[in-house]
Amino acid sequence: GAVVSQHPSWVICKSGTSVKIECRSLDFQATTMFWYRQFPKQSLMLMATSNEGSKATYEQGVEKDKFLINHASLTLSTLTVTSAHPEDSSFYICSARVREYEQYFGPGTRLTVT
Amino acid sequence: GQNIDQPTEMTATEGAIVQINCTYQTSGFNGLFWYQQHAGEAPTFLSYNVLDGLEEKGRFSSFLSRSKGYSYLLLKELQMKDSASYLCAVADSNYQLIWGAGTKLIIKP
Repeated sequence: GAVVSQHPSWVICKSGTSVKIECRSLDFQATTMFWYRQFPKQSLMLMATSNEGSKATYEQGVEKDKFLINHASLTLSTLTVTSAHPEDSSFYICSARVREYEQYFGPGTRLTVT
Repeated sequence: GQNIDQPTEMTATEGAIVQINCTYQTSGFNGLFWYQQHAGEAPTFLSYNVLDGLEEKGRFSSFLSRSKGYSYLLLKELQMKDSASYLCAVADSNYQLIWGAGTKLIIKP
């Protein structure tokens, strides 16, 4: 089956610093990847859709200058949380679309901002 | 607006059967997904229904009625490891997933 990896799996950073999270499709090419955020006991919240070679499409309420997304190749998308604050602490999950109806998730990255 | 409803929490006994319901109202429909998510982990794919009817896959089955905007996930022969959240998601006209809030399933011995 399709495998999606994320790195790092967890990260602790200080307030004001930036953190980059990588999402890779290991055995397939993904023209479209998605970035989600999930707070404790809540469902997934789509942050943005990342398309290879073009700008990401952000959901309403998500600051594109704060959450920088780069989808430079068919197997890699990155999410950079800039000037992180404690309220950005969350579980960030990426997924890669194989076909319109098939989407595989990475294992997630737990971000804690102190 | 778009809306996915599923119960917040359910409790069942090991070895029993449980049905988790999901109702939806979305702009367009390109299929309904069920995912399982254990605490602290990413969701894993369970099933995909785009036509009406029942899809069986081992101990798990998923049913869809498009006319009623309704689906259910049926789990048989429950095991303790089935304790997890079960997420219902609908692909809209752009194949974007609209997520329900998830149903936390608690299995008791």
